[in-house]
Amino acid sequence: KAGVTQTPRYLIKTRGQQVTLSCSPISGHRSVSWYQQTPGQGLQFLFEYFSETQRNKGNFPGRFSGRQFSNSRSEMNVSTLELGDSALYLCASGTGHSLYNEQFFGPGTRLTVL
Amino acid sequence: SQKIEQNSEALNIQEGKTATLTCNYTNYSPAYLQWYRQDPGRGPVFLLLIRENEKEKRKERLKVTFDTTLKQSLFHITASQPADSATYLCALPLRGSQGNLIFGKGTKLSVKP
Repeated sequence: KAGVTQTPRYLIKTRGQQVTLSCSPISGHRSVSWYQQTPGQGLQFLFEYFSETQRNKGNFPGRFSGRQFSNSRSEMNVSTLELGDSALYLCASGTGHSLYNEQFFGPGTRLTVL
Repeated sequence: SQKIEQNSEALNIQEGKTATLTCNYTNYSPAYLQWYRQDPGRGPVFLLLIRENEKEKRKERLKVTFDTTLKQSLFHITASQPADSATYLCALPLRGSQGNLIFGKGTKLSVKP
């Protein structure tokens, strides 16, 4: 099975712009979660989508949003970018059914905001 | 709120020794705990899951313990090798979620030949 893919891998934006990141989960996985990773805060949960519905949400401002399509692919959008949004954005897929399911992570998108 | 701490930011050991990493948590009684490995520029990779009713779990050279009284998990790599050098993250389920995780900040392990 192909792993989780994320595009683009690298992105440079300026303050005030918006950005859209894409994630394709492992085939058959219906859950996609997004995480932000920074050196200071570590890995932080943004939100999870399951069957096109947001099922859980972390503690991030409304500038961070996402959606999931019927084929389970997911996009994450950040509007009005701030310098502090520079980070590695990781998506992870899972079956979404089991309490104990492991998360399969993609390689991440490195976003730099100038 | 849930808190998870990995005591050491970095751990340097000699090849062949056992590496022991610590993960502590507060304000929560998780049903399980997971450990991940992350290499530079890559996403974390799942290593082991241990459930609240399990004291110890092993996988090849890896061993994880889970002490729900101390609210602590220990992660051991025996006969460590330079290829084990990476950042190791512990993770707990986000309360009320179906598998979403909160992560520790990780311990960067360096194994010297």
